Amino acid sequence: EVQLVESGGGLVQPGGSLRLSCAASGFTFITDWMHWVRQAPGKGLVWISKINSDGTTRDYADSVKGRFTISRDNAKRTLYLQMNSLRAEDTAVYYCARDNSYGGADYWGQGTLVAVSS
Amino acid sequence: DIQMTQSPSSLSASVRDRVTISCRASQNINKYLNWYQQKPGKAPKLLIYASSSLQSGVPSRFSGSGSGTDFTLIISSLQPEDFATYYCQQSYSAPLTFGGGTKVDIK
Repeated sequence: EVQLVESGGGLVQPGGSLRLSCAASGFTFITDWMHWVRQAPGKGLVWISKINSDGTTRDYADSVKGRFTISRDNAKRTLYLQMNSLRAEDTAVYYCARDNSYGGADYWGQGTLVAVSS
Repeated sequence: DIQMTQSPSSLSASVRDRVTISCRASQNINKYLNWYQQKPGKAPKLLIYASSSLQSGVPSRFSGSGSGTDFTLIISSLQPEDFATYYCQQSYSAPLTFGGGTKVDIK
């Protein structure tokens, strides 16, 4: 069974940092692209970032470029999102998801809530 | 960046109704279009990928079509479990972008 489990969310002050983790199991993590997607309370889905199987290719949404960094540890089967210089508008549930090789996300985690507030 | 525009933003329908949701891209995205369903408090679920391919396990009452800039999701006979919000997403080029969503509720 494919499982993605996010962790690392919480309350952080504006300007602070947080690192999210996504532990993967049940599929060949080392071969798959992965995504981060977020959803602010009561709002729609926003794609944040993606990374290829060996971590050499990364893309970001303009809203997080230069502040967020996606990475992965294939030995640990874990995806990461390092978030720096956090702003109130970064408050959201953050989901990790697996790419299905067509750019769609076929498996999702349960999400982890990040709240940026003083 | 490619902008994705969904219409309508919401609709009311009855069980067994045929429901059509549209999605328009601001530029040609070939067939790199995916559809998701999301229920409150839950992660999104992939329904359709590459415009018209049905994700494994998704009922056949869901179908997708289109290419270029105009796409459609059809639910042929709405079921009680289909009341949810639906999103399109382009995967043609980064940054990948979602439409604003279409909320389907009970008439």
